[in-house]
Amino acid sequence: DSGVTQTPKHLITATGQRVTLRCSPRSGDLSVYWYQQSLDQGLQFLIQYYNGEERAKGNILERFSAQQFPDLHSELNLSSLELGDSALYFCASSVEAKTEAFFGQGTRLTVV
Amino acid sequence: DAKTTQPPSMDCAEGRAANLPCNHSTISGNEYVYWYRQIHSQGPQYIIHGLKNNETNEMASLIITEDRKSSTLILPHATLRDTAVYYCIVRVRSADDKIIFGKGTRLHILP
Repeated sequence: DSGVTQTPKHLITATGQRVTLRCSPRSGDLSVYWYQQSLDQGLQFLIQYYNGEERAKGNILERFSAQQFPDLHSELNLSSLELGDSALYFCASSVEAKTEAFFGQGTRLTVV
Repeated sequence: DAKTTQPPSMDCAEGRAANLPCNHSTISGNEYVYWYRQIHSQGPQYIIHGLKNNETNEMASLIITEDRKSSTLILPHATLRDTAVYYCIVRVRSADDKIIFGKGTRLHILP
């Protein structure tokens, strides 16, 4: 158990819908990262937050957005969902942005 | 883009040492070498990291060449549970440095 909690574990939704994925970092961790992993694909970096501020951005679609709240949990919002958005979404956290990151078990999103 | 090159797959007999190579010939002086692994769709797991010196922890050893252009992750006594994709990553330990994963090495532990 890495200490990073992601909810929900599984999510099935229809095309065009909007969903919110939640990440609770390890206690004391200030940095949160989001990744997308499609079937048999690599881990694609989406976005990073540090203590509430966006610090780095990857190839995150405009339909996707994220934020980190004052209690340090983070949410990834996915809107106008398409079939191709079906994937595992991982959240990771670290004490600071420059230390090793610990990953949650992911949310499996299926868009039908 | 990933800055490392790893073999796509490797086999290792159970109980033997698994040696996973990584080439990072363009590594900068302030970049660390990190290793993570991902066991079948689980969240990636941090293994070890190092800058110049060899490092060892309860999971593995990391051997970095003197010129720092390559490294080897060693799992001393591989078990079936070590079957996973292993990722070698180089990154600067800075506040806004993202962790970029390449394709990794798929390690098969053979019984």
